[in-house]
Amino acid sequence: GNSVTQMEGPVTLSEEAFLTINCTYTATGYPSLFWYVQYPGEGLQLLLKATKADDKGSNKGFEATYRKETTSFHLEKGSVQVSDSAVYFCALRQNTGNQFYFGTGTSLTVIP
Amino acid sequence: DTEVTQTPKHLVMGMTNKKSLKCEQHMGHRAMYWYKQKAKKPPELMFVYSYEKLSINESVPSRFSPECPNSSLLNLHLHALQPEDSALYLCASSQDPVLNTEAFFGQGTRLTVV
Repeated sequence: GNSVTQMEGPVTLSEEAFLTINCTYTATGYPSLFWYVQYPGEGLQLLLKATKADDKGSNKGFEATYRKETTSFHLEKGSVQVSDSAVYFCALRQNTGNQFYFGTGTSLTVIP
Repeated sequence: DTEVTQTPKHLVMGMTNKKSLKCEQHMGHRAMYWYKQKAKKPPELMFVYSYEKLSINESVPSRFSPECPNSSLLNLHLHALQPEDSALYLCASSQDPVLNTEAFFGQGTRLTVV
C-alpha cells in the first residue's frame, strides 16, 4: 500500500537554526512527493514537490530531494525564521491514482 | 490564477440545520476533492470528483452529500450533523485525475456544529 511517515513533533528551534523534518514513504511504482505547509487557521499551501528519483524540490529556502534508494524526502532549511512557524505535511501521489497520502504533520515553532 | 476559493470561511450550524459549503476553481482542473481536518491531524479524504463524476467516497456518512454542478464548482451539502463533525473542511483541486500533479487547497471552512 501507500503511506507516508513523518518525524513526530513538535519541533522548536531558535531563529537561524538548521531545520530537518524527516519523511519516508511506502509506495509501489513511481509516486510524486510533496511538502505542504499549513499556517494557523489556513488551508494547505504547496511548499515544494519532486516527481522523480533524484529530483530536488526547492522554494523559499526549503529543499527536499527524492531519494528512491532510501524512500525518503526529508525537508531542510539552512536558517529558519519566526515566520516559518507552521505545520508541515509530507505527501505522496501515485501516478495511477487520484488520491494523496499525507503524513501526520510536524509542527514547527521558531522562537526569536 | 492558482486559487481555490471556499465559502463561507466560518459556519456555525445546529444539528437540525441544512447548509452547504461551496468551492470554486478556475484553473481548468478536472479533479476536485473534499477533505475533513480535525485539529492537529492531517486532512482526511472524504470525496473525489473526476471529470465531474464522483470517483471516490471514503465511506462518509450520508449526512454529507457532495455535488459537482460543473467543472469549476464543488458543493458539500450538510444535514443533521453531529457535534463531532465540527472541523475544518478543505476543498482541493488538481489538474488531471490520472496525472500525479500537485493539489491546490482552499483556505477551508471552519465548521462548528452546536
